[in-house]
Amino acid sequence: EDKVVQSPLSLVVHEGDTVTLNCSYEVTNFRSLLWYKQEKKAPTFLFMLTSSGIEKKSGRLSSILDKKELFSILNITATQTGDSAVYLCAVEGQEYGNKLVFGAGTILRVKS
Amino acid sequence: DGGITQSPKYLFRKEGQNVTLSCEQNLNHDAMYWYRQDPGQGLRLIYYSQIVNDFQKGDIAEGYSVSREKKESFPLTVTSAQKNPTAFYLCASRELGASAGYTFGSGTRLTVV
Repeated sequence: EDKVVQSPLSLVVHEGDTVTLNCSYEVTNFRSLLWYKQEKKAPTFLFMLTSSGIEKKSGRLSSILDKKELFSILNITATQTGDSAVYLCAVEGQEYGNKLVFGAGTILRVKS
Repeated sequence: DGGITQSPKYLFRKEGQNVTLSCEQNLNHDAMYWYRQDPGQGLRLIYYSQIVNDFQKGDIAEGYSVSREKKESFPLTVTSAQKNPTAFYLCASRELGASAGYTFGSGTRLTVV
């Protein structure tokens, strides 16, 4: 059974801190790993990772995938209160339906 | 603007009633998905559909039903057989084979009263 485990489950930091969120996975025939940010309603897409060792960056956020060790990290530097959200990690295997399997999420709270 | 519309945003249901959650997309995406989100459990897949008139059960399909009569629409019915339906329901769509993730709707919060 495909599985995604995120850690920590929740995190409280101060503005300006750097945080690292973790995602480990077990999936049959790995195709991609995705990160989403969910503030109140619809998750919004952050990154899709398919290749090991290639960092993806968007502003203060970056992510990298290790397909040998089966994990990914999401880094947020110089955190702001607007970064407070649930961060979801999901993986896709190569099977019918292109389904995503989600982790439980990491709740990040950034205090001013 | 293209996107996914879920309605209603909030729904209250009495025990024993069936209710239907609407999901409509104008992105011309082939695949559509229904997820349920409970606190601390992430998103769990209820049903998904890759083409019109075809759909597959996800991990927690019991007590739910769907239809896919049109490409744009994928309604979810929560039946009285679903023992614990209070949750946040998210609909998503995706273009098959695309190198992008899902597009999500803004969700429906269902509460049993």
